[in-house]
Amino acid sequence: GEDVEQSLFLSVREGDSSVINCTYTDSSSTYLYWYKQEPGAGLQLLTYIFSNMDMKQDQRLTVLLNKKDKHLSLRIADTQTGDSAIYFCAESIRDTGRRALTFGSGTRLQVQP
Amino acid sequence: GAVVSQHPSWVICKSGTSVKIECRSLDFQATTMFWYRQFPKQSLMLMATSNEGSKATYEQGVEKDKFLINHASLTLSTLTVTSAHPEDSSFYICSARDGQANGANVLTFGAGSRLTVL
Repeated sequence: GEDVEQSLFLSVREGDSSVINCTYTDSSSTYLYWYKQEPGAGLQLLTYIFSNMDMKQDQRLTVLLNKKDKHLSLRIADTQTGDSAIYFCAESIRDTGRRALTFGSGTRLQVQP
Repeated sequence: GAVVSQHPSWVICKSGTSVKIECRSLDFQATTMFWYRQFPKQSLMLMATSNEGSKATYEQGVEKDKFLINHASLTLSTLTVTSAHPEDSSFYICSARDGQANGANVLTFGAGSRLTVL
């Protein structure tokens, strides 16, 4: 079945790196995503990675995928106060026919000045 | 990039009334849209898949007569919460996929609609 788990909370100081972790159970995931949600707002896509990749970098964001352990992480370099938000990882499953995304519980990132 | 507009952004209604939420893809056509529900400090739970020109597909436990979905055009899906009760109060978020431009199944989300039922 589909199950995506994340730690609930992370606090870092401004300028430090943040690492948000996610584990998933379905090995047939084709794509994995990171979305950001600010208070009272919808979800903003940050980045995604195809399941046959193990790393993707996009400016301050680095995604690492360990397919063997079904572990996904998002590293934010030089974290800023504007990065404070909830971060959701999500997976897209091949051949289920529904093509909706399954989301983790979200990690609340708090950046302290 | 792809933009999804959701309206209204917030609504307060009396118990027993019905509320309609609209989800529009502004610059692309979406044959499929998804409706999610989010309780405070929780994740997004898929409610239903809205299919243009056909019936919506509901997730287990979601009452189709309670949450009416209509996807009459390639750019508009509506969710109507019928006979709303306080337990229906939640944040409803729609999303859509630009099928022509997107091999990675990326969903674009609306800004959400916060429903409060008194």
